[in-house]
Amino acid sequence: EVQLLESGGDLVQPGGSLRLSCAASGFTFNNFAMSWVRQAPGKGLEWVSIVHSGGRITYYADSVKGRFIISRDNSKNTLYLQMNSLRVDDTAVYYCAKWQLAGAYYGLDVWGQGTAVTVSS
Amino acid sequence: DIQMTQSPSSLSASVGDRVTVTCRASQDISRYLNWYQKKPGEAPKLLIYTASSLHSGVPSRFSGSGSGTEFTLTITSLQSEDFATYYCQQSHSPPQTFGQGTSVEVK
Repeated sequence: EVQLLESGGDLVQPGGSLRLSCAASGFTFNNFAMSWVRQAPGKGLEWVSIVHSGGRITYYADSVKGRFIISRDNSKNTLYLQMNSLRVDDTAVYYCAKWQLAGAYYGLDVWGQGTAVTVSS
Repeated sequence: DIQMTQSPSSLSASVGDRVTVTCRASQDISRYLNWYQKKPGEAPKLLIYTASSLHSGVPSRFSGSGSGTEFTLTITSLQSEDFATYYCQQSHSPPQTFGQGTSVEVK
C-alpha cells in the first residue's frame, strides 16, 4: 500500500525551530518529486515547497523562503522540512504529498494524514 | 508568481444538482491545472489532473475542462459525499500555487 506518514509536529515558541519528517512506503521513493502543503486554521491550502527526485532542486513559497529547508534521504525513503525562525502565522497542519508521475507534475496523488504545528508563546 | 483565483468562494446546492466551479490563472499555464477535494480532518484528495484527466478511482460525475488561463470543475449530479471544499492548483511552475478554495455547502 502506498503510504506517507508525517511526524514531528509540536507546540513551539515564536523564533523556534522544528523538523518535520515524512516516511514513505509502497512506492519507489527516489523516482518522484515530493512537496509540503499546509493549511492554517480556517484557511485554505498553501503550497510550501517541492524537492525533485534527486534532492538537488528545491523551490519554496515566498512566505517560507530563507526560513524553511526541504530535503530528502532517498536511502531512508524519508522527506524532511526543517523549519527555522518560526512565526505565529506558520501555525498549520502540514501535509507531505507525492507528485503523481516520475518527472512530471501531474497532481499530488498521495498525501499523508498531516502533522500539526502550533507556534505560540 | 502565478496567482490562482476561484469563483465562487462558496455555493449552496442540493443532492442531484449540477455544480460548476471556475479557476482562473494570472498567466497562461497550458493544461497544468489540478483539482482537489478537501474535507475537514481529512487529507486532500486528487480529483483531476492536467485540466481534464480523471484520477484513478474518482467517480465519473467529476469532470474538468479548460486550458490557458480559464478552467472549470463540474460535478454533474451532486452526491451527499461531495459536500466539501474544492481547490485548484497550477503545476506549470513553482511556486505551485492553490486557489483560495470553493466551499460546496448543503442548500
